[in-house]
Amino acid sequence: DVKVTQSSRYLVKRTGEKVFLECVQDMDHENMFWYRQDPGLGLRLIYFSYDVKMKEKGDIPEGYSVSREKKERFSLILESASTNQTSMYLCASAQSSGNTIYFGEGSWLTVV
Amino acid sequence: AQSVAQPEDQVNVAEGNPLTVKCTYSVSGNPYLFWYVQYPNRGLQFLLKYITGDNLVKGSYGFEAEFNKSQTSFHLKKPSALVSDSALYFCAVRDLNTGFQKLVFGTGTRLLVSP
Repeated sequence: DVKVTQSSRYLVKRTGEKVFLECVQDMDHENMFWYRQDPGLGLRLIYFSYDVKMKEKGDIPEGYSVSREKKERFSLILESASTNQTSMYLCASAQSSGNTIYFGEGSWLTVV
Repeated sequence: AQSVAQPEDQVNVAEGNPLTVKCTYSVSGNPYLFWYVQYPNRGLQFLLKYITGDNLVKGSYGFEAEFNKSQTSFHLKKPSALVSDSALYFCAVRDLNTGFQKLVFGTGTRLLVSP
């Protein structure tokens, strides 16, 4: 089975802090994604990476950055957390030739 | 733009009864359609997908979905609901205007199965 692991399930951070959300996948997938989930809005794509050191903006990249230094690891960075970034963050991965995206368990971030 | 709509915020069904969770789509070209399920405090789990072929797609946990091109729908179904099926269900369509597997999600439908 595909395993996408998000190391931090629940975080509470203060406004202005720098926040790192880490994600690791074990299936040698080329593509990795960060989504944000909010009630009534579904999931929205923040950033996407198709290779090491490569990234593309999604629909809501403002206030976020990403890092992919190794194929299996994709990090989401909030440079200066704000309360409107309180949300559930979902990492996902997929083969570049495939159609199915596999999700991690999610990271609940609360910014106070 | 590619989009999906889930017209019901919540669906209530009694255990043992058939269930349907509705999804309609709007795409240019042939759609790639997906259903995911999310249990409380968990990530999304893949249930099934339609890419091409048979209009009735079978997936995990006894779920199936029917692709209907004329009605632009992809409803999720199960013949006999279980209490453990209670969860949040998301329909999604692949955005074929991008070169990668960008999924556009609906807003989700909460399924509540009562004993």
